[in-house]
Amino acid sequence: DQQVKQNSPSLSVQEGRISILNCDYTNSMFDYFLWYKKYPAEGPTFLISISSIKDKNEDGRFTVFLNKSAKHLSLHIVPSQPGDSAVYFCAASGANNLFFGTGTRLTVIP
Amino acid sequence: DGGITQSPKYLFRKEGQNVTLSCEQNLNHDAMYWYRQDPGQGLRLIYYSQIVNDFQKGDIAEGYSVSREKKESFPLTVTSAQKNPTAFYLCASRVPNTEAFFGQGTRLTVV
Repeated sequence: DQQVKQNSPSLSVQEGRISILNCDYTNSMFDYFLWYKKYPAEGPTFLISISSIKDKNEDGRFTVFLNKSAKHLSLHIVPSQPGDSAVYFCAASGANNLFFGTGTRLTVIP
Repeated sequence: DGGITQSPKYLFRKEGQNVTLSCEQNLNHDAMYWYRQDPGQGLRLIYYSQIVNDFQKGDIAEGYSVSREKKESFPLTVTSAQKNPTAFYLCASRVPNTEAFFGQGTRLTVV
């Protein structure tokens, strides 16, 4: 069974607005969470991460929020830019494993 | 120049043949991972290794085998027991509780 889930396969947002990508996980032993951006036929590129001891981490236009009680994390991109269009994966880690979600395709419309 | 290298970029396999995908890293990372991505799908964990001479099965290990004889190398063998091997394969490495670095992937096609 999928331990990390991204229930929205796609998201379209106008340039300049906020993009919110969501991710849910089932394993309460996960203690480190990451977001990656991916283009076709390439390896994923790391964006931002958060430890389970925090509930928010910010890096420029990217902010990740973690709600441990709900086993939910989200990635906010503000403002969204056309260059942000890609597939975004969330990932969760515990005991050195590293599981990925199914991805959300973000399209930022100019 | 540190990084993680996968080879070959494209690989063709005949039915019933074993093939080995190479993954080498010079980042001095202990942990290494193999993932499979199918069209429109996420990354599914095949195997991972936390240390030399040790590895664990991921979600979809059946039909695959790995070895970790050196810290730098984590080759993946796709055996004839893997009935649907056509996919994009990604290798990654990391230090615990940090980001994973990925190679550029190997596209395997059964012909």
